[in-house]
Amino acid sequence: DAEITQSPRHKITETGRQVTLACHQTWNHNNMFWYRQDLGHGLRLIHYSYGVQDTNKGEVSDGYSVSRSNTEDLPLTLESAASSQTSVYFCASSGGGGTQAFFGQGTRLTVV
Amino acid sequence: AQRVTQPEKLLSVFKGAPVELKCNYSYSGSPELFWYVQYSRQRLQLLLRHISRESIKGFTADLNKGETSFHLKKPFAQEEDSAMYYCALSVLTGFQKLVFGTGTRLLVSP
Repeated sequence: DAEITQSPRHKITETGRQVTLACHQTWNHNNMFWYRQDLGHGLRLIHYSYGVQDTNKGEVSDGYSVSRSNTEDLPLTLESAASSQTSVYFCASSGGGGTQAFFGQGTRLTVV
Repeated sequence: AQRVTQPEKLLSVFKGAPVELKCNYSYSGSPELFWYVQYSRQRLQLLLRHISRESIKGFTADLNKGETSFHLKKPFAQEEDSAMYYCALSVLTGFQKLVFGTGTRLLVSP
């Protein structure tokens, strides 16, 4: 069965370190998204991609970057982790054109 | 700018009571609205979308363009409905990009 998976599920890192969160989907979807989930803020879009080599900034993109070298993967990198980036991160994918979006299980990141 | 507002952070009801989770939006174009649900320790999943006009798990939602609302309703709440509910707006056709509200936690007590 097709799926979307995130790794790791939990991560603790130190302030200033670079961290990469993985997202892998086997739906063959063109569209992939990264959100962060925070109490009182809901889900906020960080970055998104509509296809290979395409990346776009969302509403809270500062301090984050993504790259899309193939259809299946959209890794999210925190260049220099800050305590404000402690959050739960969700990856999602969709085929576009009215098809359903699917979410990963989430990654809980703690920056100490 | 697109915006989704869910005014209630927590909605607590008893089993069998009616439920209405409020959602209002602002968007200058023609909106597509969705409800997503997140059960404890699970991933977000689509509950329903306004285009399909269907009832899922007893929930319905009607898009009211005049009031810019997309409230989620269920006539008789069940304990298994306890979850986090997010209203979302698509700013392009289909699921191209979703803007979420802050979410409402529904707690159904026996």
